[in-house]
Amino acid sequence: QVQLQESGPGLVKPSETLSLTCSVSGGSMSSYFWSWIRQPPGKGLEWIGLIYDSGSTNYNPSLKSRVTISVDTSKNQFSLKLTSLTAADTAVYYCAGGSVAGEFDYWGQGTLVTVSS
Amino acid sequence: DIQMTQSPSSLSASVGDRVTITCRASQDTSNSLAWYQQKPGKAPKLLLYAASRLESGVPSRFSGSGSGTDYTLTISSLQPEDFATYYCQQYYSRAYTFGQGTKLEIK
Repeated sequence: QVQLQESGPGLVKPSETLSLTCSVSGGSMSSYFWSWIRQPPGKGLEWIGLIYDSGSTNYNPSLKSRVTISVDTSKNQFSLKLTSLTAADTAVYYCAGGSVAGEFDYWGQGTLVTVSS
Repeated sequence: DIQMTQSPSSLSASVGDRVTITCRASQDTSNSLAWYQQKPGKAPKLLLYAASRLESGVPSRFSGSGSGTDYTLTISSLQPEDFATYYCQQYYSRAYTFGQGTKLEIK
């Protein structure tokens, strides 16, 4: 069974860049897409973007100018970089994976990122 | 972007009730629609995909239907473990979007 685990800082300062990594275990990264999704405290889910094992990416248009998602299949990891952080970026960040169709079969447990000075 | 609107935003029901949650898309999503269940402090869990296909291991009391822009999630007989927040998600467009969520509470 595929398992995902997020890692990264829990506290980041405004204007800085957030870097998160998702480690994939229990299966190959091939034939899946890999995604980042976030959830501000007490609010709903917001899709950030995705990457295929080929390296092709799609991003949420509202975040596209600040987001980069990359993959390292040799390490079974994919990563998120989000620049120019503000308090509005405070959220639980989930990594997720799914079949080529588009639904998210696998989820990490989530990691809370707080943007504050 | 395709906007997804769920109704109701919250719902109170009793164990054994039949409940239906609706998800409306701002344009046709051609059955590229998934439903998730999220409990407090936990990651969402996939329940259904392709509008009506039950994910492996999900109880058969959950069902999905619909097409085009209108979709429904039905729980045929609520169980105590079903009280949670439910989200729809479209994956028809290259920019995936979620509904705002429906919180299902115990009456």
